[in-house]
Amino acid sequence: AQSVTQPDIHITVSEGASLELRCNYSYGATPYLFWYVQSPGQGLQLLLKYFSGDTLVQGIKGFEAEFKRSQSSFNLRKPSVHWSDAAEYFCAVGVLYNNNDMRFGAGTRLTVKP
Amino acid sequence: DVKVTQSSRYLVKRTGEKVFLECVQDMDHENMFWYRQDPGLGLRLIYFSYDVKMKEKGDIPEGYSVSREKKERFSLILESASTNQTSMYLCASNLIRSPGPYEQYFGPGTRLTVT
Repeated sequence: AQSVTQPDIHITVSEGASLELRCNYSYGATPYLFWYVQSPGQGLQLLLKYFSGDTLVQGIKGFEAEFKRSQSSFNLRKPSVHWSDAAEYFCAVGVLYNNNDMRFGAGTRLTVKP
Repeated sequence: DVKVTQSSRYLVKRTGEKVFLECVQDMDHENMFWYRQDPGLGLRLIYFSYDVKMKEKGDIPEGYSVSREKKERFSLILESASTNQTSMYLCASNLIRSPGPYEQYFGPGTRLTVT
């Protein structure tokens, strides 16, 4: 079965600084990868997804992620963080032809310093 | 816009009570899911349903049951609540399409406290 690891439990960055959140997946075939964001007290919102094609994926709120098959990674990036980006971020992996089985990482909590 | 709503944002129940959490989606999605979210553990799947009256166990079904009598509504039932079921519960839904998988759409969550 597929699995996801988010190595960083908590990251703190200053407002305006760049951000990279790490995600490593384990799956033998081509994974289907997602990043979700959860603002305090809210459900999860999809930021972006990768199915195939261009390995650099653009999402909402100025986020992007890059799929690197050789490193089994799908890291999330943002060039300049805003205070409103403070939230918890979840990476998830699904598999082809399976609409039911999505595995989520443990999440990375982002704190933004003024 | 897909909308997934959950009946309560916060719930406090006593040990041994029967607890019902309800979820409704308005986009005619076939699949519906119940997850439990705990710090450091991420989201863990309790049950999912791919059709009315159909259900499948997820990774942690013990102590829970589900009901799906209508396509848009999926209920999670704690038959006899225990303190270790204190958690955030998230409902989600998605389409069944090939090749898939399609992203899941989430409700706002219900924070359940069992005392």
